[in-house]
Amino acid sequence: DAGVIQSPRHEVTEMGQEVTLRCKPISGHNSLFWYRQTMMRGLELLIYFNNNVPIDDSGMPEDRFSAKMPNASFSTLKIQPSEPRDSAVYFCASSSPEGGYYTGELFFGEGSRLTVL
Amino acid sequence: DAKTTQPNSMESNEEEPVHLPCNHSTISGTDYIHWYRQLPSQGPEYVIHGLTSNVNNRMASLAIAEDRKSSTLILHRATLRDAAVYYCILRGAGGTSYGKLTFGQGTILTVHP
Repeated sequence: DAGVIQSPRHEVTEMGQEVTLRCKPISGHNSLFWYRQTMMRGLELLIYFNNNVPIDDSGMPEDRFSAKMPNASFSTLKIQPSEPRDSAVYFCASSSPEGGYYTGELFFGEGSRLTVL
Repeated sequence: DAKTTQPNSMESNEEEPVHLPCNHSTISGTDYIHWYRQLPSQGPEYVIHGLTSNVNNRMASLAIAEDRKSSTLILHRATLRDAAVYYCILRGAGGTSYGKLTFGQGTILTVHP
């Protein structure tokens, strides 16, 4: 089975440009998570969805960030306008419930490395 | 969210067992103890999880203290490929913490040949 697929793997852009990161979760998983990793702050949860509905977006840094999950097999994380401090590795992860509780494992993608100049 | 405390770094020799400790004194009764690791330039990878009893899988063993305020991840024979950052995480089973993983700084494990 294919794992969580993220694209692009690397993105270099200039400040002010719009950036869109994409994620395809594992088929059958109904929870999807977006994380950001920097040297200074480590891994931070930005937002997560359950059955395509955003459950907790308290980690989204500011209004420049938005995330959507139009269907069970696709999610996007958009930054508009981008700033140099947004440079980070962005990870998407998916999970399936076990017995109604999220005790199961999260499967992470390989990440999208974003550099904003 | 309940927090965990781990040593910043540990070292081991190849083929020797490694015991990675984690303190979680404020754990609640419904929190699961999860361990993930992150190899260089990769996303985090699930290692093991448990609630009250010790757990074993093909990757590692998880020993949970009787009062659940601490746990230990055991790699029975470290290999060079086990060099990674290991995260001990408490994961809520319901409510607003439904499914969330909050990563700390983790333990950087160095394995020497």
